[in-house]
Amino acid sequence: QITLTQQAESLWVSPGEKVSITCRASQSLLYTDGKHYLSWYQQRPGQTTKALIYHASIRTDGVPTRFIGSGSGTEFTLSIEDVQPEDIALYYCLQTLKKPYTFGAGTKLELK
Amino acid sequence: EVQLVESGGGLVQPGRSLKLSCAASGFTFSNYYMAWVRQAPKKGLEWVATISTSGSRTYYPDSVKGRFTISRDNAKSSLYLQMNSLKSEDTATYYCARHHRYNYYFDYWGQGVMVTVSS
Repeated sequence: QITLTQQAESLWVSPGEKVSITCRASQSLLYTDGKHYLSWYQQRPGQTTKALIYHASIRTDGVPTRFIGSGSGTEFTLSIEDVQPEDIALYYCLQTLKKPYTFGAGTKLELK
Repeated sequence: EVQLVESGGGLVQPGRSLKLSCAASGFTFSNYYMAWVRQAPKKGLEWVATISTSGSRTYYPDSVKGRFTISRDNAKSSLYLQMNSLKSEDTATYYCARHHRYNYYFDYWGQGVMVTVSS
């Protein structure tokens, strides 16, 4: 199965800063259609899990433009520019290229 | 507004069974693949099952294959997860999630329901 590694368990950030969360896959997530099957999710206490990015770089409807997905092959990044207090949450990457679908272990964004 | 509401969780003894339900609303349920994802306490997310629009195709990881069965009732806009031979490691919050219709990701999630497997 494909393993996704989010090396940082926690990242500390101050409001207004930029932060990057990385996700490394054990094999390329590029399919023959030219798309990467990697998505990003946000978990905040008391709220439903929210999809932020799909196909590595496409924001889902309503997601603020400060959330930027990038990367290719096996290396992917979720960047949050101008971090807001409401961005403090857990972030997960997910690969849907091959079953079993697998998630990264998660990165907790915390306030300095 | 898309809503997914899980129910049926609780405390169950190892080896016993439990059936979870997910009531969907706000969209045409029969047009979407659906899934269950779980999260053990203080742990990450794990995909548990996916079902096709008609219910004819189902997919599972090895960790639950042969013990869990995903099903759906399109007339009732409901998704189910039958869990048999439960183990302590199945203790988790179980989320119902919708597959995006055209792209491979989970676009809506429910609030989740807790399942505790313990004697």
